[in-house]
Formats: sequence, C-alpha cells, structure tokens
Amino acid sequence: KQEVTQIPAALSVPEGENLVLNCSFTDSAIYNLQWFRQDPGKGLTSLLLIQSSQREQTSGRLNASLDKSSGRSTLYIAASQPGDSATYLCAVVGNQGGKLIFGQGTELSVKP
Amino acid sequence: KAGVTQTPRYLIKTRGQQVTLSCSPISGHRSVSWYQQTPGQGLQFLFEYFSETQRNKGNFPGRFSGRQFSNSRSEMNVSTLELGDSALYLCASKKGDNNEQFFGPGTRLTVL
Repeated sequence: KQEVTQIPAALSVPEGENLVLNCSFTDSAIYNLQWFRQDPGKGLTSLLLIQSSQREQTSGRLNASLDKSSGRSTLYIAASQPGDSATYLCAVVGNQGGKLIFGQGTELSVKP
Repeated sequence: KAGVTQTPRYLIKTRGQQVTLSCSPISGHRSVSWYQQTPGQGLQFLFEYFSETQRNKGNFPGRFSGRQFSNSRSEMNVSTLELGDSALYLCASKKGDNNEQFFGPGTRLTVL
C-alpha cells in the first residue's frame, strides 16, 4: 500500500531564504507526482507535475525533483516571500488507478 | 479558461439528513475525482468518474455515492449524515490519464 510522508510538518523561515520541502513515498511504481499549495480554508492550487520519466520540473522560483528509485521528491523554493506562506502538499498517482495519494503536508510560514 | 467550480460552497446539515454536492470540471476535462479533507485524516480519495463511469473508488461506506453526467459535471451524495462527515469536500478534474489535476475551491460541510 502506497504511503506518502512529508517532513517537516511545519517550517518557519525569514523572508528571502531558500528552502527545501521533502516528500517520500513507499512504492516507487508511480505514474507521476504533483505538488500543491493550499491556503487556509481554500482548495488546492497545482504547482508542479512531474511525470515518472522526468527528474525535475521548474516554474518560476519553484523547482521540484523526483528520484523514483529512492522514493523521494523535493520542492525547492528560492528567495521565499511572505506570500509563499501556505501548506504544501505532495501527492503521487500510482498503479491503483488515477487517484492521488497525499502526504500530510508541510505548513510553511515566511516571516517578513 | 474557467477553473473547477463547486456548489454550494458551504452547507450545514443535521445528522440523518442527506446532501448533494456538485462539481463542474474545466472545459474539455473528462475525469472528475472527489476527495474528503479532515484535520485528522488529511486528504482521502472518494471516487473517480470518467465518461460517466465510476473508474475507481476509495474506502468509504456506501452512504457516499456519486455520478457523472454526459457534460462531465459530477455530483456526490452522502446519505444518513453522521457527525464525522463534517469535512471539506474537494473535486478535481483532469483531461486524461497522467495529466495534471486541478482542484475546485471545495464545499465545506458541517453536520450538527
């Protein structure tokens, strides 16, 4: 059974820092991995999708990497801003159909 | 291009009642999935519909059901509501397999 873990559960950094969020999954047989952000009480906003054949994806200040063999993904945020404060979730699509299996998320707070 | 929309945004019901939630996917997206989000369990998959057929189902009791119409709009129904059904219900759509999934703003259901 696929399990997704995100560490740390919460992170507080000063504005301007570069930071890395971690995601690990137990079954390497995945089709893709997607990173989302969620603001309090809101829906999920898609940040990046990495297909199983890809190693990384970039969008603006965000860079996500994928190492299927070790069951790990990282989300790198460059030059963090207070507006980046949110909960970041990673999710994988495995061989159990098209459902997303989510981690518990990392709550990020960027202090001005 | 309009995003995923969900109605209603907020609902208050009492135990034993039933409720119907609606989701309109992004135009051209044929797959619609439903997720339940609670503080204790995080995000859990309910079911996925593709071309009006349920393709995948999560581990929820039969009180949770859904359907998809020919225009890809989807509804989910929860009968005999319990206090534990209080949650944020999120709908996601995607164009096809291995594609990026996009979420709506969610319906906040409170069961009293």
